[in-house]
Amino acid sequence: DAGVIQSPRHEVTEMGQEVTLRCKPISGHDYLFWYRQTMMRGLELLIYFNNNVPIDDSGMPEDRFSAKMPNASFSTLKIQPSEPRDSAVYFCASSFTGGGGAEAFFGQGTRLTVV
Amino acid sequence: GEDVEQSLFLSVREGDSSVINCTYTDSSSTYLYWYKQEPGAGLQLLTYIFSNMDMKQDQRLTVLLNKKDKHLSLRIADTQTGDSAIYFCALQRNAGNMLTFGGGTRLMVKP
Repeated sequence: DAGVIQSPRHEVTEMGQEVTLRCKPISGHDYLFWYRQTMMRGLELLIYFNNNVPIDDSGMPEDRFSAKMPNASFSTLKIQPSEPRDSAVYFCASSFTGGGGAEAFFGQGTRLTVV
Repeated sequence: GEDVEQSLFLSVREGDSSVINCTYTDSSSTYLYWYKQEPGAGLQLLTYIFSNMDMKQDQRLTVLLNKKDKHLSLRIADTQTGDSAIYFCALQRNAGNMLTFGGGTRLMVKP
C-alpha cells in the first residue's frame, strides 16, 4: 500500500476562494482523521470519521469548514470562503481497529497558503 | 479532556543521549505512542508502549512509562544529526481510535 495519500501537496489561493483538500486513506482502515498544524497552535484534530461516518467534528473551527467521506477510500476537507488565518499544514491520517493499538498513519500533508 | 504536555525544545550534541519527556492527565490511556516529524513531512510512528509495561527498548530508543506520575519519556541513545526533528507523544484512550497529541518537542542535534 502506498500509505495515506493527500493532494495537493501545496495550495496557494486568494482570500475568499474555495479550497478543497483530498485524502485517500490506507485500504482497510476504518478511521480517518483530519488535523491542522500551525506554529501557534500545534497539531489540532479537526474531525474524524469511523466507517465513513463523522464521529466528532468539535475541532472544526467554524462553519466555513466542512468535511465529507463519501466512501471508504476518499475524504475531502473544504474551506469556503478561505481566509489568511486558515494558512496551515493540513494532515490526513487513517487507522485500523484491531489488535488493540490504534497507530495512526499520516499523509505528507497539504500546505495551504491563503493570501 | 486529556491534557498532554511536552517541553518545546531540546538541544543536544551528536553522540549524547536525548531524553524527551511527556506528562499527561488521563490515567485511562491504553497505548502511548511516540511520533517523529521531519521537516516538510507527516508524522511517522517511532515506537509505542502498552499501559501495562514500564519500559520498552527498540535499538537506540528506550521508552519509559511511570503510570503513577503519569510521565512518559523517550530516550534516544547516541543521538545523530538525522534525529533532529519534532517528537510528539500521543495517547489512546480505552474507547475508540482517537489519539490525543502533545504539542511536540523540537530536538536539535549539534555536530
